[in-house]
Amino acid sequence: EDQVTQSPEALRLQEGESSSLNCSYTVSGLRGLFWYRQDPGKGPEFLFTLYSAGEEKEKERLKATLTKKESFLHITAPKPEDSATYLCAAYFSGAGSYQLTFGKGTKLSVIP
Amino acid sequence: NAGVMQNPRHLVRRRGQEARLRCSPMKGHSHVYWYRQLPEEGLKFMVYLQKENIIDESGMPKERFSAEFPKEGPSILRIQQVVRGDSAAYFCASASSGNAAEAFFGQGTRLTVV
Repeated sequence: EDQVTQSPEALRLQEGESSSLNCSYTVSGLRGLFWYRQDPGKGPEFLFTLYSAGEEKEKERLKATLTKKESFLHITAPKPEDSATYLCAAYFSGAGSYQLTFGKGTKLSVIP
Repeated sequence: NAGVMQNPRHLVRRRGQEARLRCSPMKGHSHVYWYRQLPEEGLKFMVYLQKENIIDESGMPKERFSAEFPKEGPSILRIQQVVRGDSAAYFCASASSGNAAEAFFGQGTRLTVV
């Protein structure tokens, strides 16, 4: 069964302390890997889409990378406003392009 | 994602009642997806609809749950005879095509069954 696993479940960082979140997947034909940010009581907010191994995308303090087995979300010099749950999702060739499989998320807390 | 409107934002139902969740897609979007997020769980796909058609309902429980997306008006997710285990956040996403890469999520409806 296609699965998406995120680690760690929770991460506490001091402001300015860089780190990475992991998303590993077991699939039979990855078509796209997504990263979302979700604030409490809100819907997922789209951050990045990655389509092929070796691809990288950046937005402010965030950089997403993709290999054949996993994706990383690198956070450089985080600020308290980066605190949120970060979700990883994938869609696979077998399921068609309309069904995303989500991980459980990583809850990031950035302490001032 | 402010363009995808879900209402109500919070819904409380007693066991055995019906819950109706509404989703108005972004302007120009004719594709709607429903996901459920249980406490401490990831979002799970439930159903994918286009106007007047259910394309994929493989993630939806076989009993008590139904979805529609009429020609006019919002998409509706209906849960009959709710039970405590139905308590969750229900998210709708819309897109202009069937490509999940282009979907935008709403703010969700939080259903509490008491």
